[in-house]
Amino acid sequence: DADVTQTPRNRITKTGKRIMLECSQTKGHDRMYWYRQDPGLGLRLIYYSFDVKDINKGEISDGYSVSRQAQAKFSLSLESAIPNQTALYFCATSDVTNSRETQYFGPGTRLLVL
Amino acid sequence: QQQVKQSPQSLIVQKGGISIINCAYENTAFDYFPWYQQFPGKGPALLIAIRPDVSEKKEGRFTISFNKSAKQFSLHIMDSQPGDSATYFCAASSTVSGNTGKLIFGQGTTLQVKP
Repeated sequence: DADVTQTPRNRITKTGKRIMLECSQTKGHDRMYWYRQDPGLGLRLIYYSFDVKDINKGEISDGYSVSRQAQAKFSLSLESAIPNQTALYFCATSDVTNSRETQYFGPGTRLLVL
Repeated sequence: QQQVKQSPQSLIVQKGGISIINCAYENTAFDYFPWYQQFPGKGPALLIAIRPDVSEKKEGRFTISFNKSAKQFSLHIMDSQPGDSATYFCAASSTVSGNTGKLIFGQGTTLQVKP
């Protein structure tokens, strides 16, 4: 089984709808991240969490919210989806060894907002 | 504010050629520089990393070159193969005590190796 899973893998929704993307991990890591990937813009950080009680905004958090339900689960919500939120979304976990972070990415969720 | 700038955005190389991707950083506190590789339909994964106490690190056909004074580092793929076709991300972080060590990613480079 994959260490970092994302559901759904693909989603089509309409403008104005609220949707949730879910991420689960079996790696036992405290740190979790949500990114979106757009052509030419690379990976842009939406939110991150260093433990269950710690939630931080990334560079593009407007229009998004997150919930860290447990160490293993980190969900991303689009409150009212708009077409420019069409993108590939990645969840990642990380561990830090000798102060060096390694991130482990899920397979991604492809979201289309009509 | 983009703290890690990556170029080129896309790159086409013939099989057997050398692929070179460059990154520049601004924050002098950065002291850990990994590269991630992403195949189509997959998430990125760690490929190779370097600390600034060395100027070069080689793993198979992949080499990181590091220039501390210029605040630049690059990935060289020797004898490039079609299977190397992927998107490559450079990243940087500070491991200094008091910092979180969170990675800052570059914009990515899409590499296509032609047979």
